[in-house]
Parts: sequence; C-alpha cells; structure tokens
Amino acid sequence: SSELTQDPAVSVALGQTVRITCQGDGLRSYYASWYQQKPGQAPVLVIYGQNNRPSGIPDRFSGSSSGNTASLTITGAQAEDEADYYCNSRDSSGNHVVFGGGTKLTVL
Amino acid sequence: EVQLVESGGGLVQPGGSLRLSCAASGFTFSSYWMHWVRQAPGKGLVWVSRIDTDGSSTNYADSVKGRFTISRDNAKNTVYLQMNSLRAEDTAVYYCARAGDSSGYLDSWGQGTLVTVSS
Repeated sequence: SSELTQDPAVSVALGQTVRITCQGDGLRSYYASWYQQKPGQAPVLVIYGQNNRPSGIPDRFSGSSSGNTASLTITGAQAEDEADYYCNSRDSSGNHVVFGGGTKLTVL
Repeated sequence: EVQLVESGGGLVQPGGSLRLSCAASGFTFSSYWMHWVRQAPGKGLVWVSRIDTDGSSTNYADSVKGRFTISRDNAKNTVYLQMNSLRAEDTAVYYCARAGDSSGYLDSWGQGTLVTVSS
C-alpha cells in the first residue's frame, strides 16, 4: 500500500496564509481529504474531494491538488487553527485507506 | 445529529482478545461504509479496517490482517472490531468513523476508546 508524506511541523504568523502538503502516489488517482485534530479530541474533517468543506468549517480552509501532491491552505490563520493536520486517501490499489504522518501547525 | 459511540476498550494481556463496539445514531446506518482508525499515544492516525454497507466486503491494514475482524449489525446500528492475538504495538485509542462516500474520506468520528495491551 502507498504512503502519504507530510512535513512534521509548520508555523504561521497570526493572520497569514499557510500551506500544508501531502505527497503520495495514490494522490494521482484519488483525492486527499484533510482532518484537524486538537489535543485530546477526535479528528474533524475539514476538506474532502476536489475542494469541499463540511458544514461548519470556515471558508479560510481550502484544498488543492497537483500530480502526487495535495495541499491544505489556511488563508488568514487564526489562533484556534493551531492543531495537528492529517491527510488521507485511498492507496493505489484502492482497497486500503492511508493517512499521512500528520503536520503540527503552530500559529505564532 | 450523527453520533458514534465506541466502547469495549480496556487493559488486556499480550496474546489476548478484545471486542470493540461502535453504536451509531442520527443517520441511516445501513447506507454507509464504516471504518476503524487507531492512534497510539503521541503518534499519528493509522487506518485499521473498513466494511461496506451490508458487511459483504471488508479490508484490513497489513498490520492487523489475520488478527482483527470487522463486522456490523445493521439491525443494531453497530459496527464491531474483534481483536485477537493482541500485541503491545496495538495499544492505541481506537476510533470508529463514518465514510462520506467510497472515496475514503471520513466525515464523522466517535470519541475513541483506549486499548492497552500490557502484562
């Protein structure tokens, strides 16, 4: 099964824009989805499909994809966006689901 | 409101067994694929298994294949994870999650149940 690779940590100044990336061969065939997880809480879906936000997710969150790389962009990061972010997708066989290792976002 | 409530976690010795349950409410359970995802203490999310709407198709991560079995009871709105031959490395919080569609995104998650494998 394929792996998804994320940078372990990223930081952004309050109100600035940050991009979190996810790389993997399976992303050439399947969209990534993105999850936000705060300490002691379950993950929350923030982006899925081509660039879809579930109800209640602020529009500062957006997704994009090119080749084997998917990206989550937060435009105008807020203090409450500080969290771990995970991407996931199906692997290249389509039969398994894989997660990236996660990116810890710090808002300065 | 979609609710997923896991139960059945606890302390078990290496080589032992445990069955996790996830009770669903607030949606038509029989229409959705369901997944289990785990997270070891201080580590990232790891996909474990998934089951289709009627239980006829299942998939497993290589690390649990042959030891874990996913199943569901649509009459009880519940998905299960039978875990056998448990190892220390299976220690984790186990989440059940609802699949939004067949693409693999998980749109609702339970609060998780902790499984600790230790002697």
